[in-house]
Amino acid sequence: DVKVTQSSRYLVKRTGEKVFLECVQDMDHENMFWYRQDPGLGLRLIYFSYDVKMKEKGDIPEGYSVSREKKERFSLILESASTNQTSMYLCASSFGRDLNEQFFGPGTRLTVL
Amino acid sequence: AQRVTQPEKLLSVFKGAPVELKCNYSYSGSPELFWYVQYSRQRLQLLLRHISRESIKGFTADLNKGETSFHLKKPFAQEEDSAMYYCALRAGGTSYGKLTFGQGTILTVHP
Repeated sequence: DVKVTQSSRYLVKRTGEKVFLECVQDMDHENMFWYRQDPGLGLRLIYFSYDVKMKEKGDIPEGYSVSREKKERFSLILESASTNQTSMYLCASSFGRDLNEQFFGPGTRLTVL
Repeated sequence: AQRVTQPEKLLSVFKGAPVELKCNYSYSGSPELFWYVQYSRQRLQLLLRHISRESIKGFTADLNKGETSFHLKKPFAQEEDSAMYYCALRAGGTSYGKLTFGQGTILTVHP
């Protein structure tokens, strides 16, 4: 059974703080993804990674960076958090290049004050 | 660039009534379409994919390339179908399983 875990369920930070969101998967998946989920906007891809140390920008990368030092772990970094980054952040992973299903984590609700 | 549109933010039906969640896409190539569902307090999960041509929990979806649509249908809605539904598209030839999601539709099935 695929398990994708995220380090925090809820997180409250202040404007300007550096924020780390961690995601770990235990199924040896090559691909990992970070999305933000906002009402009326759906899921928007921030960054994804298809291998260790490899990353590609998604649709809304501004204000974010990522790190993938190990295959099982994909970190999302907010260098200087802003109030417009208050959102639900979802991590997902998938195997290979084809039609394989994306498996999602439980999400991290980030509030930036 | 590809785009997925779900025109209904909210959809309410009564138990036993038919339900159709609309999904339209724009993409010049040959897309692969999916429906994902998120039940209350649960993770987002795959419901079905067009290439499988399967029925899951009584739901079906047919890819209509002429109308660029992939509507999700169920003939008799159940209360447990209440959830957030997302339509998603994978552009043909795109590596790594990258998906473009629609805005989502919240389905509420009343008793």
